[in-house]
Amino acid sequence: EPEVTQTPSHQVTQMGQEVILRCVPISNHLYFYWYRQILGQKVEFLVSFYNNEISEKSEIFDDQFSVERPDGSNFTLKIRSTKLEDSAMYFCASGRGDRGETQYFGPGTRLLVL
Amino acid sequence: AQTVTQSQPEMSVQEAETVTLSCTYDTSESDYYLFWYKQPPSRQMILVIRQEAYKQQNATENRFSVNFQKAAKSFSLKISDSQLGDAAMYFCAYRSGAGTASKLTFGTGTRLQVTL
Repeated sequence: EPEVTQTPSHQVTQMGQEVILRCVPISNHLYFYWYRQILGQKVEFLVSFYNNEISEKSEIFDDQFSVERPDGSNFTLKIRSTKLEDSAMYFCASGRGDRGETQYFGPGTRLLVL
Repeated sequence: AQTVTQSQPEMSVQEAETVTLSCTYDTSESDYYLFWYKQPPSRQMILVIRQEAYKQQNATENRFSVNFQKAAKSFSLKISDSQLGDAAMYFCAYRSGAGTASKLTFGTGTRLQVTL
């Protein structure tokens, strides 16, 4: 069964450093998403992406964040200058984009900013 | 904006028993989808069940079923014959039916413990 994969599983970085989180969505999916979950809190939407463009972004997704689909398989989330409060679990999800799609989540990347 | 409320931070059930997790939501839309996701200690988000708002019939997936009350904006999850592997955080989520690439809006979750 196809699944969404994410690398790395864990990332520790220093405040102010740039990080890139990588995702490989399910191959026939066209819509891609990033969510984050701060420890002990609910999952929050960051951004959706389709046809090489951002479809929607939340207020969390400010100028320090960017997304890219650099090739036909990867989908990345870049955090330019990490802050302590960026420490969270970051989930990538993908969907076919049809009406009422189900979004399938990857296993997440646990980011710790020191 | 849509909101999802899970009023039970924690629930406990004995193995083989039945438990119901509550979820209510607020929306002005008539076309939407509702989901329950399970998050075990590994923290992966696993789809449990989904419900289309236009369907009156409650969704069922093996031991998992929902009680969807559209007028009351309620979407509870029933787990029958609970197993130790059901222990996890359960999140209720809402997705608008308008357009594609719609985001999921999650509730705060219910932690389910399964005891022997």
